Amino acid sequence: NAGVTQTPKFQVLKTGQSMTLQCAQDMNHNSMYWYRQDPGMGLRLIYYSASEGTTDKGEVPNGYNVSRLNKREFSLRLESAAPSQTSVYFCASSPSTLAGRASQETQYFGPGTRLLVL
Amino acid sequence: QKEVEQNSGPLSVPEGAIASLNCTYSDRVSQSFFWYRQYSGKSPELIMSIYSNGDKEDGRFTAQLNKASQYVSLLIRDSQPSDSATYLCAVNIGGGADGLTFGKGTHLIIQP
Repeated sequence: NAGVTQTPKFQVLKTGQSMTLQCAQDMNHNSMYWYRQDPGMGLRLIYYSASEGTTDKGEVPNGYNVSRLNKREFSLRLESAAPSQTSVYFCASSPSTLAGRASQETQYFGPGTRLLVL
Repeated sequence: QKEVEQNSGPLSVPEGAIASLNCTYSDRVSQSFFWYRQYSGKSPELIMSIYSNGDKEDGRFTAQLNKASQYVSLLIRDSQPSDSATYLCAVNIGGGADGLTFGKGTHLIIQP
């Protein structure tokens, strides 16, 4: 049981390049999330998917797109990377459903992807 | 606006003492509250969750919730150097599956 996995671990991009960050979970969770973490800013939600087939914007969605490929996988795409997108990106999942119980909202995090945009 | 506030620290505590971490949140309808620990260069890991007013104990950790005051805290008893980390308070503001709102974290240093 690997939990939440993310690839790649590290990536260096040049401004304007595109890339996709991959995330997968093997816990049969309904909801998946993408966060970015910057020094002094804490964790900020980029996009989330409350169930397979749905995605919604979080606090900082500009410059990103997401795909919930199936129940296990949730990818984050940067179409044209900018230096402001240099950050650590975390994927998380939770059992949560829209009408779920509070105890289902615990989120479990992947190891993160460190992205540097030059 | 959804807000979760924490003192960024650093909070320095002698080994063996009690570390007290505090968090306030903006939305009275919040139902779920979480404490995560994050070591430098690592991902957040869940320490405690609490849903009802009062105290919840798990080993050396005690979470305290006061919904009337919109306040949640984490106590760490018999603090160890391995407890040195950043502690993130997270709140499911508004309920549902739209994610947690995180505070910016408190950096805790346990002095040997």
